[in-house]
Amino acid sequence: AQKVTQAQTEISVVEKEDVTLDCVYETRDTTYYLFWYKQPPSGELVFLIRRNSFDEQNEISGRYSWNFQKSTSSFNFTITASQVVDSAVYFCALSEGRVAAGNKLTFGGGTRVLVKP
Amino acid sequence: DGGITQSPKYLFRKEGQNVTLSCEQNLNHDAMYWYRQDPGQGLRLIYYSQIVNDFQKGDIAEGYSVSREKKESFPLTVTSAQKNPTAFYLCASSSRDRGLHTGELFFGEGSRLTVL
Repeated sequence: AQKVTQAQTEISVVEKEDVTLDCVYETRDTTYYLFWYKQPPSGELVFLIRRNSFDEQNEISGRYSWNFQKSTSSFNFTITASQVVDSAVYFCALSEGRVAAGNKLTFGGGTRVLVKP
Repeated sequence: DGGITQSPKYLFRKEGQNVTLSCEQNLNHDAMYWYRQDPGQGLRLIYYSQIVNDFQKGDIAEGYSVSREKKESFPLTVTSAQKNPTAFYLCASSSRDRGLHTGELFFGEGSRLTVL
């Protein structure tokens, strides 16, 4: 069975500080996808990134960066120079790689990030 | 603008009543999903549909029912059999890229159901 664990339930930082969100996953599949979604106060989740299990390159997008380490089954997310607008709940998710499974994502419990001015 | 519309945004229900949550998308996506979110917990999959007139149970389907008569619509009924229905319900859809699911879900703004 698939499982995603986000051990940090809430993180509070002051603006401009960096913040790293941890994500550890479990799966028996050799092909799988990992995701990060952001849930602002409005409620809808917003897709941030997808990474497949064969691509371990780290990725940077503006102030966001992701560190995928297959050896430790982790897919961590860092926000550099945080801003108040980054305040949200962030979810890590895992999906089986088989096409027939569609996009059945297994979500972690989420990490609430509070950025104070 | 393309997107997913959920209604109502807030809903109150008495115990023993069924209630239907609406989800409409104009993204021309094949697949649609219903997730439930409880405070401090992640999202859990209730039902999903990959094509019109077909749907599958997710991890927590008991006490819920769905239909998929049209590509753009995927309503969720919370029945009286659902023991703890108070939650935040999120509808999502996804497309395919060259036949493969992209993995990216597009979400609505959710419906918050409270049972009195």
